[in-house]
Amino acid sequence: ETVMTQSPVTLSVSPGERATLSCRASQSVKNNLAWYQQKPGQGPRLLIYGASTRATGIPARFSGFGSGTEFTLTISSLQSEDFAVYYCQQYDNWPLTFGGGTKVEIK
Amino acid sequence: EVQVLESGGGLVQPGGSLRLSCVVSGFTFSNCAMSWVRQAPGKGLEWVSFISGGGGSRDYADSMKGRFTISRDNSKNTVYLQMNSLRAEDTAIYYCAKDPRESNPYYFDYWGQGTLVTVSS
Repeated sequence: ETVMTQSPVTLSVSPGERATLSCRASQSVKNNLAWYQQKPGQGPRLLIYGASTRATGIPARFSGFGSGTEFTLTISSLQSEDFAVYYCQQYDNWPLTFGGGTKVEIK
Repeated sequence: EVQVLESGGGLVQPGGSLRLSCVVSGFTFSNCAMSWVRQAPGKGLEWVSFISGGGGSRDYADSMKGRFTISRDNSKNTVYLQMNSLRAEDTAIYYCAKDPRESNPYYFDYWGQGTLVTVSS
């Protein structure tokens, strides 16, 4: 099983600042990596797939980078609606696995 | 507009059974694989099961094999998860998630709001 490790667990950021989230895979997943945002009481929302392609309707302030085992999600200028938990997910190896999540909170 | 709506959750005793349903709209259902993903209280996401668009291919996470059965009815735009021999550790919110492709689980472009399953005596 491919273990996905996200860091940090919690990220405290002020509105308008930049946030960088990391996701590491225990083995190569090529670019088969997705990022999701989850707010309390809601299902996850797809942000990025293919490591760097924004999903439909996702603002340009969200960007993904990486391949192989190291990936990042950057939010260039945090808006109030961006404070949430973010998960990465690999879909290269069986079974599909998710990272443990990074909570982005208001500083 | 794509909509995904789960139902069927509730309180069940250990060893009991429950069937979850997921009704979708806004896309050609038979063209898309579907998965169930769960989230234990305060925890992260765990993939549970997948079924291909035509229903001919399905798979499960190891801890669910032999206990859970996924199925779909393309005439009703509905996917099901039959859960038997439930354990306390199956307590979670169960999400239904749409895959953009017909076969082989991939990433999930739409999710429902989830249905809560509580296994307790």
